[in-house]
Amino acid sequence: QSALTQPASVSGSPGQSITISCTGTSSDVGGYNYVSWYQQYPGEAPKLMIYDVTNRPSGVPDRFSGSKSGSSASLTISGLQAEDEADYYCSSFTSSNQYAFGTGTKVTVL
Amino acid sequence: EVQLLESGGGLVQPGGSLRLSCGASGFIFRNYAMSWVRQAPGKGLEWVSVISASGANTYYADSVKGRFTISRDNSRNTLSLQMNSLRVEDTAIFYCAKISRVPAADFDYWGQGTLVTVSS
Repeated sequence: QSALTQPASVSGSPGQSITISCTGTSSDVGGYNYVSWYQQYPGEAPKLMIYDVTNRPSGVPDRFSGSKSGSSASLTISGLQAEDEADYYCSSFTSSNQYAFGTGTKVTVL
Repeated sequence: EVQLLESGGGLVQPGGSLRLSCGASGFIFRNYAMSWVRQAPGKGLEWVSVISASGANTYYADSVKGRFTISRDNSRNTLSLQMNSLRVEDTAIFYCAKISRVPAADFDYWGQGTLVTVSS
């Protein structure tokens, strides 16, 4: 299985909005509404931020939002804050009963 | 509070074997599918394997198929990963993760990981 494609890095100033894309195929992102997003700080385990494309777990700020169109999904962070500086990964269920992660995006707050 | 605690990592020579364990608490372990995800040093996340709640169904990434075996003991709330024929490229932090429901792609809880180093 191949990794989902994400931009290597995205940056923005505090208060701005940024969007991270996650591109797959009809066998994963395009075939299921089972896309999730994870935030990872250096040296720490990943944390679930978005599930089922658009849903936020309890405790995740509402400035994090998700969407999907065709075989591409997106994570938008509105009102960017310094604490949002981290690595972000998308994930999707696949047609082979497997899972695929994205290549990862480093978010920098300028 | 959900807790996942991995153990069993360490240094092993290429071609060797290692068994990882993950102890679970804070939820009804037997009701949830569980997975292993790994992360090579400085690299991204890579899904490794998943096991159904009952243990009847298992699936693997192509990169580990035939070498790794996932299993679980629902009486002891423990998830395991038997790794054989280890390669240098298997060097990574291995995380165990709980899956919120199936089918889905949300790993809602993660352990802190255990480091596996394959080197001569």
